Amino acid sequence: EVQLVQSGAEVKKPGESLRISCKGSGYTFTSYWITWVRQMPGKGLEWMGRIDPSDSYTTYSPSFQGHVTFSADESISTAYLQWSSLKASDTAMYYCATSQRYCSGGSCSVYNWFDPWGQGTLVTVSS
Amino acid sequence: QSVLTQPPSVSAAPGQKVTISCSGGSPNIGRNYVSWYRLLPGTAPKLLIYDDDKRPSGIPDRFSGSKSGTSATLGITGLQTGDEAEYYCGTWDTRLSVVVFGGGTKLTVL
Repeated sequence: EVQLVQSGAEVKKPGESLRISCKGSGYTFTSYWITWVRQMPGKGLEWMGRIDPSDSYTTYSPSFQGHVTFSADESISTAYLQWSSLKASDTAMYYCATSQRYCSGGSCSVYNWFDPWGQGTLVTVSS
Repeated sequence: QSVLTQPPSVSAAPGQKVTISCSGGSPNIGRNYVSWYRLLPGTAPKLLIYDDDKRPSGIPDRFSGSKSGTSATLGITGLQTGDEAEYYCGTWDTRLSVVVFGGGTKLTVL
């Protein structure tokens, strides 16, 4: 069974750094992209971007570019989302999810649906 | 403001049917596949529908998806109290080059 397990809740102060993790199991980690999604308190889902663990190629939503960094360690089947300087507005639930790749006519792309998802990591940033 | 528009809430009685709409435009729903997700607090979000109308393995046929033009619809029949959750639609937006989601719809089973 393909499964993603995320690291536990975090409480941080503004300006601090943070890295949260998403560990995949039940599949070859490099076979699927990892997507990150944010849900701020009382709000909807926002796509942050994705990473291809096979070569660490990343795509960021313009809304998050420059403020977060995606990375992946194939050796331990784990993807990471990190901040170098947190803001109070980063308070949210963060989900990781897998996206399958497909190839056609000699080129490959990624499906824009997500399955499965991790259980979420709640990040609270408060002074 | 979400790119895709969903009703904030819908409700129906157990055993009844409900539909949740998702309205967008030509850069998103109009030219890309739609997926649907269920969010329950404390649990991992669940994919219900992908590619407009396909159900992943394990999703009962009580759940259905359809699309027409720039709008998509999630249908749930035989409502159960366990269906109470928030439901989101999502798709790629070709103009913005991002995945966009609806604002979410809270389903109440009365």
